[in-house]
Amino acid sequence: SAVISQKPSRDICQRGTSLTIQCQVDSQVTMMFWYRQQPGQSLTLIATANQGSEATYESGFVIDKFPISRPNLTFSTLTVSNMSPEDSSIYLCSVTTGGTDTQYFGPGTRLTVL
Amino acid sequence: QKEVEQDPGPLSVPEGAIVSLNCTYSNSAFQYFMWYRQYSRKGPELLMYTYSSGNKEDGRFTAQVDKSSKYISLFIRDSQPSDSATYLCALRVSSNTGKLIFGQGTTLQVKP
Repeated sequence: SAVISQKPSRDICQRGTSLTIQCQVDSQVTMMFWYRQQPGQSLTLIATANQGSEATYESGFVIDKFPISRPNLTFSTLTVSNMSPEDSSIYLCSVTTGGTDTQYFGPGTRLTVL
Repeated sequence: QKEVEQDPGPLSVPEGAIVSLNCTYSNSAFQYFMWYRQYSRKGPELLMYTYSSGNKEDGRFTAQVDKSSKYISLFIRDSQPSDSATYLCALRVSSNTGKLIFGQGTTLQVKP
């Protein structure tokens, strides 16, 4: 498995602002993903973060709203842009490690938008 | 209809009980089945992973998959208060994409 950390762990933001969430892994991983967990809802995949190229977004999620970077094999960022209260969620980074296709999750970033 | 259905509970049982958690799914293309445990204010933790019909056992946990009925279960034997958490089933079509489809999660409380 991999040890995954996320920053910040939580934040309270104003409508219209943007927040960048960082995901750091303690070892090189093959795939990195960003999920959203809205209150009372299940986890939904936002996008797959691709190293050195544009992320692959799921239906309903767009790059302008959720720009993602992955400059190397251990680090990725997700930005939530022009936030509204509907963006209040837990955002989770997950990874798969070499030789296995099981996914491990970070602790999550709890975002509240006022 | 959601791709994966899971009763959100909450489910409350006494310590030592056998717990049964279930998910049903509609897409027969799902080939990989996982159970995650999520404690409050924590990220999901992988408990069980299987890709075939039948049972897989790990300590007090048994995962069961019935592809013909599109039904998966997680059994917890001798449940403990420390098992109190939300349990999420997660399914995947292919090992290449990595995209997981999650159930809503079942909240379990084990009372001492």
